[in-house]
Amino acid sequence: QQQVKQSPQSLIVQKGGISIINCAYENTAFDYFPWYQQFPGKGPALLIAIRPDVSEKKEGRFTISFNKSAKQFSLHIMDSQPGDSATYFCAASRTRGGADGLTFGKGTHLIIQP
Amino acid sequence: GAGVSQTPSNKVTEKGKYVELRCDPISGHTALYWYRQSLGQGPEFLIYFQGTGAADDSGLPNDRFFAVRPEGSVSTLKIQRTERGDSAVYLCASSRRLAGSGELFFGEGSRLTVL
Repeated sequence: QQQVKQSPQSLIVQKGGISIINCAYENTAFDYFPWYQQFPGKGPALLIAIRPDVSEKKEGRFTISFNKSAKQFSLHIMDSQPGDSATYFCAASRTRGGADGLTFGKGTHLIIQP
Repeated sequence: GAGVSQTPSNKVTEKGKYVELRCDPISGHTALYWYRQSLGQGPEFLIYFQGTGAADDSGLPNDRFFAVRPEGSVSTLKIQRTERGDSAVYLCASSRRLAGSGELFFGEGSRLTVL
């Protein structure tokens, strides 16, 4: 059972455009939703994270939008740059009542064309 | 060290052999995680340590996989009787706080190839 579904699998965006990646989760006990960025040959690195008590979080060019009723959240990259080309993973975890590890989506391979 | 260190970075072995993968977490991080990442997939949770004890090992695929963290710092993932399906990148991560409540810092992984 895939608990976090991510789309699209791959995405090509022109430099300066907006990149949008979507995720949906099933487990209503999840209460922490991070996005990780991974470059080839490297481990994933935390980009931005949100908790369900807010609907949006912005850090620089990166914004998470969260819809608790729909059990969906998305990553928006504004003014996308070639250096943003990487694989992005959404994730979710439960932090109360016996915390467990992050459950990751399958990833989105993002290419920003110059 | 400054980050999570994993050794070896690459390991090629033959089917049926025993393999150990080592993780040295960031100093002071009490939580340690092992994940497995297959090509084109997201990291898959294997096991989580809080201190010396395995708080959650529900992700270990079978009893050929075992992990230890005897002194609450370095951890070793052990795979017995390796199979070709075990080929993947094994990622280790550490965190300052309890699972899910803080940032996970990942190492660069150990790429295991079983021939």
